[in-house]
Formats: sequence, structure tokens, C-alpha cells
Amino acid sequence: NAGVMQNPRHLVRRRGQEARLRCSPMKGHSHVYWYRQLPEEGLKFMVYLQKENIIDESGMPKERFSAEFPKEGPSILRIQQVVRGDSAAYFCASSPIAAGDYNEQFFGPGTRLTVL
Amino acid sequence: GQQLNQSPQSMFIQEGEDVSMNCTSSSIFNTWLWYKQDPGEGPVLLIALYKAGELTSNGRLTAQFGITRKDSFLNISASIPSDVGIYFCAGQLSGGSYIPTFGRGTSLIVHP
Repeated sequence: NAGVMQNPRHLVRRRGQEARLRCSPMKGHSHVYWYRQLPEEGLKFMVYLQKENIIDESGMPKERFSAEFPKEGPSILRIQQVVRGDSAAYFCASSPIAAGDYNEQFFGPGTRLTVL
Repeated sequence: GQQLNQSPQSMFIQEGEDVSMNCTSSSIFNTWLWYKQDPGEGPVLLIALYKAGELTSNGRLTAQFGITRKDSFLNISASIPSDVGIYFCAGQLSGGSYIPTFGRGTSLIVHP
């Protein structure tokens, strides 16, 4: 059973370009979470999605960032018009049931975004 | 919002030594989680704690959920080189969307 997969692992963009980060959850998992990690910091929650629904986007910037988890295919985190401050590692996690007590999130290897 | 203070920020130890790190919070949590992150990888859950006062072991790792529900510690006994990595604590509150709040991590380096 493959784990959470993210691609690309490394992404370089110039300021003003768009970044698209993909996450395929573990088989059987229908809940996806996106986190951002800056150097020497912990993970900051961005958004929690179920298939075709955004459950909690309280950690995601209101502008330039969007996320989706379609019925078919991977979850996508999209950053428009990237700026240098967007450079970070972006992690996706998935879980088999809704977020709650006794619910483990399994993390992917991350996408390291560098904005030049 | 909730804040987690994790200490120490980094540790340099000799193989075979025991390690202790802790997290304190400005508010209570219902669940404490400890993760390890290897370089270039995502975090992996080591131990989950669900009750105040709970003491749980996983091999050479032992973690405790503080009685006040505002703190937790992780101990690693007889460290080995593969223990190298960044250890994160995370607190989770019941209700809402159960999204964990992460500490800033403790970077562990083990010298052979």
C-alpha cells in the first residue's frame, strides 16, 4: 500500500509565476490536509479537504492560494503569482476518517518550493 | 491562538546517551502527538497520548501527557545514530476540525 505521494518533490518558480502542488492520498483515504513549513519552524496548517469539499481553510491566505480535492485525481494546492515569501516546504497529509480524536494523519514527503 | 513552546531547540549528544525534550502550551489540549522528521521527508507519528497523566512507550521512546494538559515530554533512551532528525510535538483540541498545532521542533544530532 503506497503512502501519501506528492509531486513534484522540488519546484522552482520565478516571481509572478504559478505553482501547482499535487498530493495523492493513501489508498482508501478521503481526507487531505495541507501544511507549510518554513526553515527551522514547525508545520503550519493551511487547509483541510474532503472529496469535493473544503472543510477548513482557516490557515490559508485569502489571496493567491487555493486548494481542491476533486472526485477523481489528486488534491491540488495552487499558488498564483508567487512571491519569495512563498518559498517553503509544503506537506500534504491524509487520513482514512474525518479529523478527530484517535485519527492519525499520514504525511507525504513534501514539495520544496523555491521562488527566485 | 494556541502556542506551543518546544525545548530544547537542538541537542548534540553521544551515542548511548538518553535524551529528553518537552513541550508546553498556553492552553490545554486533549491529545498530544510526537512526530519525527528525517531530512527531506515528511513527519512520521511516533507516539499519541489521549489522557492526562498517560505514559506511553514505543521501543526506546517514552512520552507523557502532563496532568495539567498543558505539557508533554518525550524521552529517548540509549540513543543511536538513526535517531538523528527533528522531533515535533503537536497538540490537538477536540471539537472544531481537530487540526493539530505543531511546536517548532527539536533537532537531534547523535555522534557515534
